[in-house]
Amino acid sequence: DIQMTQSPSSLSASVGDRVTITCRASQGISTWLAWYQQKPEKAPKSLIYKASSLQSGVPSRFSGTGSGTDFTLTISSLQPEDFATYYCQQYNSFPLTFGGGTKVEIK
Amino acid sequence: EVQLVESGGGLVRAGGSLRLSCTASGFTFSSYSMHWVRQAPGKGLEWVSYINSRSSNIYYADSVKGRFTISRDNAENSLYLQINSLRADDTAVYYCARAPQEMATRVDYWGQGTLVTVSS
Repeated sequence: DIQMTQSPSSLSASVGDRVTITCRASQGISTWLAWYQQKPEKAPKSLIYKASSLQSGVPSRFSGTGSGTDFTLTISSLQPEDFATYYCQQYNSFPLTFGGGTKVEIK
Repeated sequence: EVQLVESGGGLVRAGGSLRLSCTASGFTFSSYSMHWVRQAPGKGLEWVSYINSRSSNIYYADSVKGRFTISRDNAENSLYLQINSLRADDTAVYYCARAPQEMATRVDYWGQGTLVTVSS
């Protein structure tokens, strides 16, 4: 199985900050990587697919980069509605696997 | 608007069974592959199972293989998950999720989830 490791597991940031979350795959997955946002007591929401493609309706302050084993999610200017937990997921092969999550909290 | 509505969760004793359902609307259900993903309380996301549009390809996570069965009824726009031999570590919110047509291994829409609680 492909293991996905996210870092950090949590971070504190202020509105307007630039935030970067990293995700590492245990083996190469090309660009078959997605990012999801989850707010408390809510279902996850798709943000980015194929490492860098924005899901329809997602604000342009979200961006993704990477290929192979190393990936990043960047929020260019953190907004109040962005405080949430973010998960990466590889979809290169079954079983699909998720990172452990990064909780973005208000500083 | 794509909608996925899960039902069937509840409190069940260890060793028991439950059948989860997911009713889809807002898209042509029969043309899309589907997934179940779960989340234990306070934990991360765990993929559970996949079924393609014609039910000809099915996959399971090792943790549920032999105990869970995914199925679908395209005429009823419904996805199911039969869960047997329930264990305490099956306690989770179970999400039904749609795969986009161009990539069956990805998820683009999620339901709101249904909670399964297993008591010992």
